Amino acid sequence: KAGVTQTPRYLIKTRGQQVTLSCSPISGHRSVSWYQQTPGQGLQFLFEYFSETQRNKGNFPGRFSGRQFSNSRSEMNVSTLELGDSALYLCASSLGGTRMNTEAFFGQGTRLTVV
Amino acid sequence: GDSVTQMEGPVTLSEEAFLTINCTYTATGYPSLFWYVQYPGEGLQLLLKATKADDKGSNKGFEATYRKETTSFHLEKGSVQVSDSAVYFCALRANTGNQFYFGTGTSLTVIP
Repeated sequence: KAGVTQTPRYLIKTRGQQVTLSCSPISGHRSVSWYQQTPGQGLQFLFEYFSETQRNKGNFPGRFSGRQFSNSRSEMNVSTLELGDSALYLCASSLGGTRMNTEAFFGQGTRLTVV
Repeated sequence: GDSVTQMEGPVTLSEEAFLTINCTYTATGYPSLFWYVQYPGEGLQLLLKATKADDKGSNKGFEATYRKETTSFHLEKGSVQVSDSAVYFCALRANTGNQFYFGTGTSLTVIP
């Protein structure tokens, strides 16, 4: 079955712009989580969506937002981009629900560079 | 709060050497524990997992045992190959919620 698909793979944006990243989870998975990966901070949790509702949120400013559609696809948006937002953004797909011992499957990520 | 502490890298080994990457965690309750691997330019791939104390996860010659008494989940492999060169992440997921907490990653390079 198809894995987690993230688009685009690479993005270059200018400071002050906004950007939207997309994630299509594995078929049947209802939970989508987003993570930011940087050399300095490592992997940091942004937020999780389950059945179109944000279920959990990390410690990021309000410029970072997301949503989930009825087909479980998710988008995250970053407004007013800063140089420090340059990172690899990873999407994780899982069954969600109440089975907490299920693993998460990650996409290849979107490499965002802010110049 | 929940957290994972992972052995600092980078680690360089000769082919067929023994590998250990240490990982300890802090969590309330009984988290699930994971090892993920990341190859250059790629996302994270699940390597192995353990969901309760004394469980042993294994895959592709890698093993890790969930030790509740020492709050550890050390990764081991008896004989590494050049193709094992990658960054390895230890992670936990608490028994409530679906958020993963990751270690800082350990870069492994295996030389022929």
